[in-house]
Amino acid sequence: GAVVSQHPSRVICKSGTSVKIECRSLDFQATTMFWYRQFPKQSLMLMATSNEGSKATYEQGVEKDKFLINHASLTLSTLTVTSAHPEDSSFYICSARLPPGGADGYTFGSGTRLTVV
Amino acid sequence: DAKTTQPPSMDCAEGRAANLPCNHSTISGNEYVYWYRQIHSQGPQYIIHGLKNNETNEMASLIITEDRKSSTLILPHATLRDTAVYYCIVRLGRYQGTSYGKLTFGQGTILTVHP
Repeated sequence: GAVVSQHPSRVICKSGTSVKIECRSLDFQATTMFWYRQFPKQSLMLMATSNEGSKATYEQGVEKDKFLINHASLTLSTLTVTSAHPEDSSFYICSARLPPGGADGYTFGSGTRLTVV
Repeated sequence: DAKTTQPPSMDCAEGRAANLPCNHSTISGNEYVYWYRQIHSQGPQYIIHGLKNNETNEMASLIITEDRKSSTLILPHATLRDTAVYYCIVRLGRYQGTSYGKLTFGQGTILTVHP
């Protein structure tokens, strides 16, 4: 089935530095990808929608200058957390919209646990 | 997308059926009921979806009431590995054009399967 590979699975960074998270569709082309954030014991919250070759659409309250999203190819979307602070520590998950065919419209990456110290 | 209501938590004995309810009283005629689950520290996993008829696959069964205002996900023989958060989401189906939009997750039901 369609697989989305997300890396790294875990990252620890110092406060003030930037961290890049990659999300790759391995056997299909993903024109649309979604980025979610999940705090402990909470549900997934959609941060932004990225479309290949165009600017990402951010949800209300999400700082686009802090969470930079690039979707330069049909198989790769990246999320860069800039000038990270401890409150950015969270579980980040990407999702790709599947092309026609198959059981469902979305597949998810395995997530990235970001810890900012 | 229509809002859903699920119990915050449920318990189930290993080997027994787990029945997870979901209310979606504002569902519209062209919206499907989707179920996903999230095992701790992993991305969500698709389970099953349906429109009107009951559905079954290798993972679970989905029972949708005739008025479509509620549904039940059934895991017929729960195992310890089924312990997860289960999300019921109502949305447009994937073949309804490119506007079927994003997934909005509620709080879900924490299912704990115990020995």
